[in-house]
Amino acid sequence: QVQLVESGGGVVQPGRSLRLSCAASGFTFSNFAMLWVRQAPGKGLEWVTFIWYDGSDKYYSDSVKGRFSISRDNSMNTLYLQMNNLRVEDTAVYYCAKTLGYCSTTSCPIGVDYWGRGTLVTVSS
Amino acid sequence: SYELTQPLSVSVSPGQTARITCSGDALPKKYAYWYQQKSGQAPILVIFEDSKRPSGIPERFSGSSSGTMATLTISGAQVEDEADYYCYSTDITDDHKGVFGGGTKLTVL
Repeated sequence: QVQLVESGGGVVQPGRSLRLSCAASGFTFSNFAMLWVRQAPGKGLEWVTFIWYDGSDKYYSDSVKGRFSISRDNSMNTLYLQMNNLRVEDTAVYYCAKTLGYCSTTSCPIGVDYWGRGTLVTVSS
Repeated sequence: SYELTQPLSVSVSPGQTARITCSGDALPKKYAYWYQQKSGQAPILVIFEDSKRPSGIPERFSGSSSGTMATLTISGAQVEDEADYYCYSTDITDDHKGVFGGGTKLTVL
């Protein structure tokens, strides 16, 4: 069965960096686009970033563009999120998520079918 | 920025039909997805591509879309359906960016 296991969360001071990882299993990781979604305490879901199945294209929300970087290692079945210059408002549970369809040559579906359990990132001085 | 609008809350008695709406200008052309999130848990997919139900999701969950509004219907809601529900679709400005609705708290009691 599909499993997504996030790690790397913790408490960090504003302006510092953190790297999240997501270990994927139970499906052919290299065939699917992946994304990160976050949820601030007591708030709704927020789309953060998206990466094509082969890592060739990446997209970011305006709130993290220029500070966060998504990447993947298909040989290790692992998704990453490098978070730099963290802000208090980045405090959230970060979920790794798998898209539910295959990419064409020009586009990838954004719908999500599986989620990890999330990892909590707290940015505080 | 593009937004999907949901009601903050919906309340029904057990056995009644619950309808949760999601409005967005791009919905006539883009699929809607629905996620259920119970307290302290990760979201799960209950409807994809407007009206398709994943395996393992009870038949009482259904979805539809017309014009700028998508609707999640729970026919004969059960106490265990009490949760937050989020719609999700493509950002109107970029096919590879997603956007979530603000979420609807469904109360069944």
